[in-house]
Amino acid sequence: EAGVVQSPRYKIIEKKQPVAFWCNPISGHNTLYWYLQNLGQGPELLIRYENEEAVDDSQLPKDRFSAERLKGVDSTLKIQPAELGDSAVYLCASSLTARADTQYFGPGTRLTVL
Amino acid sequence: SQQGEEDPQALSIQEGENATMNCSYKTSINNLQWYRQNSGRGLVHLILIRSNEREKHSGRLRVTLDTSKKSSSLLITASRAADTASYFCATDALEIQGAQKLVFGQGTRLTINP
Repeated sequence: EAGVVQSPRYKIIEKKQPVAFWCNPISGHNTLYWYLQNLGQGPELLIRYENEEAVDDSQLPKDRFSAERLKGVDSTLKIQPAELGDSAVYLCASSLTARADTQYFGPGTRLTVL
Repeated sequence: SQQGEEDPQALSIQEGENATMNCSYKTSINNLQWYRQNSGRGLVHLILIRSNEREKHSGRLRVTLDTSKKSSSLLITASRAADTASYFCATDALEIQGAQKLVFGQGTRLTINP
């Protein structure tokens, strides 16, 4: 079974530029999560999708961050414009349902903003 | 915000020794989970213990939970070089809708020396 796929794995951009991250969850998983992980810290939830609906985006900085999950499968997380403080690893995870015990994580995208 | 406080932040032991990591949390939980993260990779689910359980085993892993002290410990016995990784505890906050929302600790960086 293929795991959660994320791309790109690494991204280096200059501040004020836009950037987008893509995630393909495990087939059949209807819940998808985007997390932010700063260096030396645990992941923090940005947004959770159940199918195509964003049901928890309370931690998403909506002035510059946006996300979508068209057709309830793949998802894209966008930052526009990026700031220096956005440098971090962006992790995508999926679970069978929102009540499932286990979340399955992708390898993450490491973003460096110069 | 992160609920879990993990102790120690870093641990270095010799191969074959046992490694113990501790996690404390602040609010009532439904369950507590431990995840492993190898350098540059996503998180991998290791074990889950429910609030009505006190101890759980999985292979070389042993997890305990003390809800009165709001703490948990992860013991890895007979450590191997491949156990070198960061270990995170994650507590769930059962939402009104019943969805699981994980809150991660800051992690313990474990190094196994050959």
